[in-house]
Amino acid sequence: DGGITQSPKYLFRKEGQNVTLSCEQNLNHDAMYWYRQDPGQGLRLIYYSQIVNDFQKGDIAEGYSVSREKKESFPLTVTSAQKNPTAFYLCASSTQGYSGNTIYFGEGSWLTVV
Amino acid sequence: GDSVTQMEGPVTLSEEAFLTINCTYTATGYPSLFWYVQYPGEGLQLLLKATKADDKGSNKGFEATYRKETTSFHLEKGSVQVSDSAVYFCALRRDGNQFYFGTGTSLTVIP
Repeated sequence: DGGITQSPKYLFRKEGQNVTLSCEQNLNHDAMYWYRQDPGQGLRLIYYSQIVNDFQKGDIAEGYSVSREKKESFPLTVTSAQKNPTAFYLCASSTQGYSGNTIYFGEGSWLTVV
Repeated sequence: GDSVTQMEGPVTLSEEAFLTINCTYTATGYPSLFWYVQYPGEGLQLLLKATKADDKGSNKGFEATYRKETTSFHLEKGSVQVSDSAVYFCALRRDGNQFYFGTGTSLTVIP
């Protein structure tokens, strides 16, 4: 089945450690996104990429980094510079062009700092 | 800039009650509008969408009409069920393939 796969589902990070969240899609979508969701809060955009080898910062990019070397993959690294990384992270993708294009989401990854 | 504002929750209803969740937007041009639903611990799923003024999106008994004159896209359902308990997000898509989401409205339906 086509979809977006995020891994791991649960991840624990020690202080000062970098961690990488994986996101893979087989929908042949050009655009991919990373959002952060805090408990009881809405979604905040971290980074997005419209095409391979290109990405832009969203509203809360500080302390995060991404790469887009392949169309189907958009990993997110949470660096030690991110002071409050405990949150639910959502990866998403969409096609380009048509105004009614829908954004599709993965199942999310929980990151907890211990 | 573009934004979406939706009514704050939480909302608690009895089964078979009528549901309205308000959503208004601010945007230049003619964005597409969406409602997404999120169940606990999961990602967001598309519920319905509308791409131009006066369009009505519908799915699973939910409806929303794109009202350009009031910049609104309110979600309605005539008779909610316990299984509708979730968080609902209003969203818009603007040119450049950027999506903006509201803060979400939590709905709990009690038997």
